[in-house]
Amino acid sequence: SAVISQKPSRDICQRGTSLTIQCQVDSQVTMMFWYRQQPGQSLTLIATANQGSEATYESGFVIDKFPISRPNLTFSTLTVSNMSPEDSSIYLCSGTGGVVKFADTEAFFGQGTRLTVV
Amino acid sequence: QKEVEQDPGPLSVPEGAIVSLNCTYSNSAFQYFMWYRQYSRKGPELLMYTYSSGNKEDGRFTAQVDKSSKYISLFIRDSQPSDSATYLCAMSEGAQKLVFGQGTRLTINP
Repeated sequence: SAVISQKPSRDICQRGTSLTIQCQVDSQVTMMFWYRQQPGQSLTLIATANQGSEATYESGFVIDKFPISRPNLTFSTLTVSNMSPEDSSIYLCSGTGGVVKFADTEAFFGQGTRLTVV
Repeated sequence: QKEVEQDPGPLSVPEGAIVSLNCTYSNSAFQYFMWYRQYSRKGPELLMYTYSSGNKEDGRFTAQVDKSSKYISLFIRDSQPSDSATYLCAMSEGAQKLVFGQGTRLTINP
């Protein structure tokens, strides 16, 4: 399986500020995704991070609020902009479609970033 | 109607019991079916991965997919306290985004 590292693992931020979360995969993956998980809830897809082009956002999520970068096949960032307490959640990145290591559709997750906005 | 339905539980069983976790879905295009285990304050961990219909066994875990009924199951035999976690089913049409169930919170009591 792939190892996906996320930084930071947790943060407490002031409202109105922005936080950038980094996701590093130990092998090349075709697809990377960003999810949000509210406490006690399931995962909601925010966007698909596309290498070298703009991310594809799901309904209810916009680029101005959640800008995403993906400069190569092993790294992506998600920024939560102009934060409010409603953004308090766990943010998870996921990789799938391993170029070398694992099956095309097996998706692996980072440990998550626990964000609290005060 | 949600695309994937999963009973959120909570489910509490004694150690050694057989646990059955289930999900139903509405999208007949789903081809790939996964079960994730998520411990508190951790990311989801891929437990079982199945393509199309059929059964797959891995140690104490068995995953079943019935595409005709749009129904998937995860069975845990000889359940252990260390199996206590939230179990999430997930599905996809291909090498694309996953659609998750709500997750079932499972507790195995010693």
